[in-house]
Amino acid sequence: AQKVTQAQTEISVVEKEDVTLDCVYETRDTTYYLFWYKQPPSGELVFLIRRNSFDEQNEISGRYSWNFQKSTSSFNFTITASQVVDSAVYFCALRRGRDTDKLIFGTGTRLQVFP
Amino acid sequence: EPEVTQTPSHQVTQMGQEVILRCVPISNHLYFYWYRQILGQKVEFLVSFYNNEISEKSEIFDDQFSVERPDGSNFTLKIRSTKLEDSAMYFCASHASTDTQYFGPGTRLTVL
Repeated sequence: AQKVTQAQTEISVVEKEDVTLDCVYETRDTTYYLFWYKQPPSGELVFLIRRNSFDEQNEISGRYSWNFQKSTSSFNFTITASQVVDSAVYFCALRRGRDTDKLIFGTGTRLQVFP
Repeated sequence: EPEVTQTPSHQVTQMGQEVILRCVPISNHLYFYWYRQILGQKVEFLVSFYNNEISEKSEIFDDQFSVERPDGSNFTLKIRSTKLEDSAMYFCASHASTDTQYFGPGTRLTVL
């Protein structure tokens, strides 16, 4: 069975702090994909990143970085120098390798960044 | 940049009524999905659709639900007889042969 666990329900930080959102996944597949989506207060789901199971390289995009470690089945997301606009719910998701496969979401982490 | 659109943004209906939620996926996409999110909870898969048929459906997607791609551009979700517990945000998503699903802005369904 596939599962995504985001143990942090809510995190509060002050602007300019760094923050890491944890994601642990379970799957027996050798080919799979991992995703992060952002859900701001307006409600839409915004795609942030996709990683496939064969690519363990960490990725950096501006203030965002992702650490994928197959050995610990984790795909953590770090925001450096957080800003108020980063306040949102962040979802980690997993899908199998077939084109028609669904996304399995974690329960999300609500990040609140205070000025 | 192309995007998935959904209408209406908010639908209020009486219990027992039928509702149709509409989505226009990105034009060259072939795979379509509906998800729902009950307020404050995680996003849950309802159904996937490819090549004019359902690929997979969840336990939530019972006989009260149906999907259709009536005209090659729209992708609809119909709930035949709404229940209070159907109140949620419904998201449509699509993707091409790449693996990233892009989501529409959602339709908030409120069943009274």
